[in-house]
Amino acid sequence: QSVLTQPPSASGTPGQRVTISCSGSSSNIGSNTVNWYQQLPGTAPKLLIYSNNQRPSGVPDRFSGSKSGTSASLAISGLQSEDEADYYCAAWDDSLNGPGVVFGGGTKLTVL
Amino acid sequence: QVQLVESGGGLVKPGGSLRLSCAASGFTFSDYYMSWIRQAPGKGLEWVSYISSSGSTIYYADSVKGRFTISRDNAKNSLYLQMNSLRAEDTAVYYCARDVGATTGAFDIWGQGTMVTVSS
Repeated sequence: QSVLTQPPSASGTPGQRVTISCSGSSSNIGSNTVNWYQQLPGTAPKLLIYSNNQRPSGVPDRFSGSKSGTSASLAISGLQSEDEADYYCAAWDDSLNGPGVVFGGGTKLTVL
Repeated sequence: QVQLVESGGGLVKPGGSLRLSCAASGFTFSDYYMSWIRQAPGKGLEWVSYISSSGSTIYYADSVKGRFTISRDNAKNSLYLQMNSLRAEDTAVYYCARDVGATTGAFDIWGQGTMVTVSS
């Protein structure tokens, strides 16, 4: 059971806009920034969005992130076949049990 | 170029130990917080441990606390993970990753991963 909650799957057709949600709590998303990762099969994760809505150099502007309260979302517009991958949200968690990074369970995006 | 290369994975029996290494190049290693993150076969990402740039601050996930030890040698541009009392549930690909800042959870550089299999 992951600390951050994501839908296990999402899908869309080429050119569509797809959003993936990520729900957390006051100790993680509610008080820290959210990051998103893309993982293609058999490869290491790639940072897609950091600090809620910032794109690292080289990430297309088709990818965007937003955060409100204890939830965040990743939007992919102009969906392309190469976007088919697993997507993970992550955030720092200020848990009293011990701080650390928490991840969502991941969302498998299928391009139909 | 900027890269991280892990090594040290392999097959180990339950209760055994293993030491992972991560060699950094192409950037000033001593400026960055670093982490180990793992991914069990067919599963999602799980953060394992964090170490500050100087090594003075360290955090662990509850699942590995007391069994794993993270360390770094800035002179050798290297990150380490000493894993003791290994269990079957520790079987995973282990990645080292660089944080863009201090405890942001935003990892911009990842290694290729090293597989650890715990089985009798």
